[in-house]
This record gives sequence, structure tokens and C-alpha cells, in this order.
Amino acid sequence: DTGVSQDPRHKITKRGQNVTFRCDPISEHNRLYWYRQTLGQGPEFLTYFQNEAQLEKSRLLSDRFSAERPKGSFSTLEIQRTEQGDSAMYLCASSRLAGGPSSYNEQFFGPGTRLTVL
Amino acid sequence: KQEVTQIPAALSVPEGENLVLNCSFTDSAIYNLQWFRQDPGKGLTSLLLIQSSQREQTSGRLNASLDKSSGRSTLYIAASQPGDSATYLCAGPRPGANNLFFGTGTRLTVIP
Repeated sequence: DTGVSQDPRHKITKRGQNVTFRCDPISEHNRLYWYRQTLGQGPEFLTYFQNEAQLEKSRLLSDRFSAERPKGSFSTLEIQRTEQGDSAMYLCASSRLAGGPSSYNEQFFGPGTRLTVL
Repeated sequence: KQEVTQIPAALSVPEGENLVLNCSFTDSAIYNLQWFRQDPGKGLTSLLLIQSSQREQTSGRLNASLDKSSGRSTLYIAASQPGDSATYLCAGPRPGANNLFFGTGTRLTVIP
């Protein structure tokens, strides 16, 4: 069990540029989540996947954000035309799928990608 | 919308002291609850998970309890150490959902 990994760990970009982050979940974890955390706040949910299907998206996920998990393994989060307000830590988490679709399973988080938009 | 409150926002204690962190949810229909630790600039480390069939969980010097009727949870840390210094976050999903709602955390400093 190598844990959840995220790449890059840090990204500095200029306003208006596109950025893409990658998350590799714990192997055999079916569910993958993206959260965003700003300074001094708790993480806020963005979206989650069960295998390759994107099952839920938060209202925080504007149309400039898109997430994919094409083969049900790693996931990417892309932000187009970045804005200064997008500066945050982007966290990925994964969990098993067990006990039926309405059961909850412990989420394990990666180290995050810190985005700074200048 | 589920809101999560953590009290206190910050806490500073001398090494060796026992302490309690509090977490409460506006929607008391909490079935599961996770406590996390976050070091500055890092991701979240899961500490304890209280499942819907449980009232508390223990791991080493940590004990977490959940009162589902009131939507409150406490994290008890025994014999605190400087290495316990971090931000502690509680989080729970809405019933039937999987995404977590987080509090803003309690920033703990343990003074040697």
C-alpha cells in the first residue's frame, strides 16, 4: 500500500493559463475524490468518481474545471483560464467500495497540490 | 447545508497535558465521522473513523466518541507530546452521500 500520490506538489502559474493535476489513488480503491482547501479553512468537496464514472460534482466546480478518471485508476483535474481565486491546495482522496452504494468507507488523502496563481 | 463547527479554533498546552477537541454538526444525522490530522502545508492523515454502528474508537493515546443524537464528537488526546502539534479536523458525510463536510479545524500547539 503506497498511499495516494499527487503530482505536482507545487504549481505556480500566471492568470489565464491552464493547469492539470494528477492523482494516483491507492490501488484497488474504487472511489476517488477531489477537494479544495484554502488557507485557514477545511477542505471543500469538488467531485468524486466511482471507477471511471463521475457521480457527483459540487457547485464549486465551475465550468473552467474538469476532472476525468478514464480507466478507473488515476484521475486528472484541469483548470482552464486560471484566476487568482483558484489559488488553493487541491487534495485527492480515495476509498474502497464496500457494503453497498450508500455505505461510507474511510477516505485516505494524498499530500496535495498547492496552486499559486499570480 | 451541513455545517461543522470545531471548538476551540486554537489551543496551546504544556507537554503531558490531556486535552479534548470538540466538533459539532448542524445536521445531527451523522452516521460516520472521521478525525484527521494536518501538518502545515501537508495533506490529511486519517486518525480515527467512527462507523455508524459505533460510538467511539481508540488508537493509542487518541480516543474519539460520537453522539449521533446531538451530532457532536470529541477527540481526546492523552499525555500530549510536542509531536502532536498540528491542525485537527473532523469530517462526516451527509447520510447516503460520500463526500465529506469538514470543520475549519483546531490548531494545537504542545509546548515542550
